[in-house]
Amino acid sequence: QSALTQPASVSGSPGQSISISCTGTSSDVGGYNRVTWYQHHPGKVPKLIIFETTKRPSGVSDRFSGSKSGNTASLTISGLQAEDEADYYCCSYAGGATWVFGGGTRLTVL
Amino acid sequence: QAQLVQSGAEVKRPGASVKVSCRASGYTFTDYYIHWVRQAPGQGLEWMGRIIPTTGDTHYAQSFQDRATLTRDTSITTAYLELSGLTSDDTALYYCARDGQKWDFDYWGQGTLITVSS
Repeated sequence: QSALTQPASVSGSPGQSISISCTGTSSDVGGYNRVTWYQHHPGKVPKLIIFETTKRPSGVSDRFSGSKSGNTASLTISGLQAEDEADYYCCSYAGGATWVFGGGTRLTVL
Repeated sequence: QAQLVQSGAEVKRPGASVKVSCRASGYTFTDYYIHWVRQAPGQGLEWMGRIIPTTGDTHYAQSFQDRATLTRDTSITTAYLELSGLTSDDTALYYCARDGQKWDFDYWGQGTLITVSS
């Protein structure tokens, strides 16, 4: 169970759009539409922002969207805001009642 | 509103064991699985395992198969993580999280800091 691969950091200016990739294998990301994304502000609890690869929980801004192509899932944040500055983690079901996280991506809003 | 409240921070010696609790409220405990996730200092999130409260069935990440034990007490709606053979690499913030039934973790405990130091 190797961790999913995410870029260590991304940045963008307010109002811009950014995307964070999450690359796995056919045994996890590519094999299921069961990718989730979490926003984690330091010192706080992780917050679910995308489930089942593309769906948003109630109350999550529609500026957040998820997609997948092959073994790579992506999180896109449009209209960047200062409050979006946080760590973002992807996670995928990996079969056999196991899950695997990505290494995390630090988003900096310039 | 679901809530998960974890036990407090602990300091342990290398080789010792630790048991962390996670008390659930605001929902029917047996209706949702509980996962455990940890975050070492400066590192990312790491999935450790899952317990099914109704049956007690467990599944673990390979790296924790031999050292982690997940249990639960349905009478007090509490899940437990016990980790044995602690080393400094186990110094981390340990979270419990509820399985939202969409392959997701929808509610999280506040985290329990375990420090392993001689």
